[in-house]
Amino acid sequence: QVQLVESGGGLVKPGGSLRLSCAASGFTFSDYYMSWIRQAPGKGLEWVSYVGSVSNTIYYADSVKGRFTISRDNAKNSLSLQLNSLRAEDTAVYYCARVGRPYYYFDYWGQGTLVTVSS
Amino acid sequence: EIVLTQSPGTLSLSPGERATLSCRASPSFSGNYLAWYHQKPGQAPRLLIYGAFSRATGIPDRFSGSGSGTDFTLTISRLEPEDFGVYYCQQYGSSPVTFGGGTKVEIK
Repeated sequence: QVQLVESGGGLVKPGGSLRLSCAASGFTFSDYYMSWIRQAPGKGLEWVSYVGSVSNTIYYADSVKGRFTISRDNAKNSLSLQLNSLRAEDTAVYYCARVGRPYYYFDYWGQGTLVTVSS
Repeated sequence: EIVLTQSPGTLSLSPGERATLSCRASPSFSGNYLAWYHQKPGQAPRLLIYGAFSRATGIPDRFSGSGSGTDFTLTISRLEPEDFGVYYCQQYGSSPVTFGGGTKVEIK
């Protein structure tokens, strides 16, 4: 069965950095686009970034462009998100999700990892 | 950017009742590129419907999606206890993809 397990969340000061990871299993990882979606405490869902199956296509939400970097390692079935120049408004649970086909809805989600940006 | 407005904000119903949730897009987007998700407290969202009408793997047939253009509907024919929670719509017909603000379905 499809499993997505995020890690790397935690408490970080404004302006700091963090790297999130997502370990994928139960499907052919290299066949699928992958994405990060976040949810601020008590709020709705916000798409953050996509990466194509062989990293040939990458998109970011305007709110994170220039600060976050998505990447994947198909040999390790792993997705990552590097978060730099963090702000209080980046505080959220970050979900790793598989992109369904035809693109771009999200057919499987991980359990999420909490990022808290606070001094 | 497409804005999705979900209504009502909260729906109070009893098990066995019918639930009708609305998702309105402004402006409209091409195709039936709309998905619905269900999220229970402390859990990740789960895909219910994609392509406006198609049920995701393992989703029971009491869930159905309809609509096109600017107005979409999720119908739950008979609510089960596990159906309570928040429902989100998402459009993927226009970049960037966007989500609605959610409808909370609570036990009456």
